[in-house]
Amino acid sequence: RKEVEQDPGPFNVPEGATVAFNCTYSNSASQSFFWYRQDCRKEPKLLMSVYSSGNEDGRFTAQLNRASQYISLLIRDSKLSDSATYLCVVNIGGYSTLTFGKGTMLLVSP
Amino acid sequence: GAVVSQHPSWVICKSGTSVKIECRSLDFQATTMFWYRQFPKQSLMLMATSNEGSKATYEQGVEKDKFLINHASLTLSTLTVTSAHPEDSSFYICSAENRGRRQETQYFGPGTRLLVL
Repeated sequence: RKEVEQDPGPFNVPEGATVAFNCTYSNSASQSFFWYRQDCRKEPKLLMSVYSSGNEDGRFTAQLNRASQYISLLIRDSKLSDSATYLCVVNIGGYSTLTFGKGTMLLVSP
Repeated sequence: GAVVSQHPSWVICKSGTSVKIECRSLDFQATTMFWYRQFPKQSLMLMATSNEGSKATYEQGVEKDKFLINHASLTLSTLTVTSAHPEDSSFYICSAENRGRRQETQYFGPGTRLLVL
């Protein structure tokens, strides 16, 4: 089983739509969780950390379910500029090693 | 936000040559830097963890004699791909850890595209 699994997509949505991505992780000792965004041929950039109680940053909402080892990202009112690959990233506590999922591609069309 | 630079941004070289990639943290000191590699449509794969003043820790399957890492200062780590071959062609990305933040955060460099002919 892969350490971090994501649906590769692509998710094709129109502008203004709401879209959700899911991610599962295999290591129950994982303690830190993040969503990164990676544009084509660019480096990943931190979108948001994911906290146990769930957290929101503007149009983006992240949720964590430790029991199911599952993380989600919800994007409301999608913009064309949201088109990118969204990477689910997990960090085992006590270490700094980030484990990346393969990413989910989002394409927002006019 | 914290800035990490990489140089060069792209390299084309002949098979058998060595290529050196620099990773610099521009506005913070990074005791730890990481080197990743990403093949097309694949996830970032950690190659090694570079600690200032000590030997790098390599992930399983990464040849330490082929991918030489030097972390001589708190703001600079270098990765040298020795005797590069076409299968080494990839996107190499470094990241630097900023422990000054509330939560440890890694900041990524812009990456280096290596094409070995």
